[in-house]
Parts: sequence; C-alpha cells; structure tokens
Amino acid sequence: QQKVQQSPESLSVPEGGMASLNCTSSDRNFQYFWWYRQHSGEGPKALMSIFSDGDKKEGRFTAHLNKASLHVSLHIRDSQPSDSALYFCAASPNSNNRIFFGDGTQLVVKP
Amino acid sequence: EAAVTQSPRNKVAVTGGKVTLSCNQTNNHNNMYWYRQDTGHGLRLIHYSYGAGSTEKGDIPDGYKASRPSQENFSLILELATPSQTSVYFCASGGRRGGADEQYFGPGTRLTVL
Repeated sequence: QQKVQQSPESLSVPEGGMASLNCTSSDRNFQYFWWYRQHSGEGPKALMSIFSDGDKKEGRFTAHLNKASLHVSLHIRDSQPSDSALYFCAASPNSNNRIFFGDGTQLVVKP
Repeated sequence: EAAVTQSPRNKVAVTGGKVTLSCNQTNNHNNMYWYRQDTGHGLRLIHYSYGAGSTEKGDIPDGYKASRPSQENFSLILELATPSQTSVYFCASGGRRGGADEQYFGPGTRLTVL
C-alpha cells in the first residue's frame, strides 16, 4: 500500500493567502522527509528537507515534522501565483535509501 | 547546480517496438532512478542503480529493463512497448545534501505508444 499519503489532493488559495499541505506516513522507519515541487512541464525539484521534530522555516515556507505521529506539513504564507504547482511529500528510512513519494497535492494560487 | 538531462524529450513508438530512454548526469552521484508519472499515481519507481554496473528493481519493473554502463549514464529500455506504457518518464540522480540523499530530476520524456 501507499507508504506516504497526502491531503488534500487539490487546494485553491487566493493570492496572499496561506496554503497548508499535509502528509502522513505509514512506516515508522521513516526518518527523513522532504517536500518536492513540480511546476507544469518540468521535473520535480526539492523544496525543503526536514529531519528533526519541530518547525523549519525557509522564507515564506515552513515545514513541520512530528515523528511520533508520522505527520509532516508544509505551510506557505503570502502565497503567490508562481507557487501554483504539484507538491510531493517524500520520505526515506535512512540517509542513503530510495525515497518514497506521495501522490501529490495540486496547489492553485488565484490572483 | 546539479544537472540531469534526458533524451529524447518526446517519443512516439509503435506497439511491439523497442524504446530506449537515456539519462545523463554530471553530478557524479552514485544513485540514479527511473520513474514514471501518470495522473492520479504520482511518481512510481521503475528501476534504480547504486553505481555503474548495478541495477535494482523498483515498485513497477515489469516490462522495463535498465542499464547503467557508467557513473554518468542510466538507460531505461522497453523491449516490447505497449500502449499502457504511455506516460511521462523522469530520471533522477541522488546526492548527499544536509545529511541524506536528495534527488535531482531531469526534465522528463513524454512517451506515447500507439
């Protein structure tokens, strides 16, 4: 079964609004988590990594990890139309193993 | 910045024909991966490699072969292409960043099998 589940499948927010994406894993061995972003017609690109419990902030993007509940989230404040993309949550059990991807959340930021 | 290139970018093949998708990376990464992306399925891992000469089966290897002749090159081979293999294929290389391997993706190859 899918090891990484994302919600919602799609999300629409107004420009300047807050977008919140969620991810839950079913494998307690997962220790490393990423958010990848894919703009239309391009390959995915790593947006943020988070390996420790708590928050990690990079500009307008904040990731939150709770390993006990196997939950990771991504919050985008002051959303811009250029943030419109497919966002993947990804997880791995160790530092040199394959990554397991979720099915993605399609984010649309409306001007 | 890490660079992964794929060729061809678009390919139309006939059912039963042989298709080879090529990937090249200039990052000197040991790990390389092939995925396919279909609407509703996200990224599904087909084959991967830990270095030249090695290939490993991913989650959906049936109907696909892989070849890693060198550190830089990783190919995906469809010996007998079928319409169900119509998809967008992404290659990625994996390199250490911040304590764990992060994947760098190519631009993708759109394959249509008629």
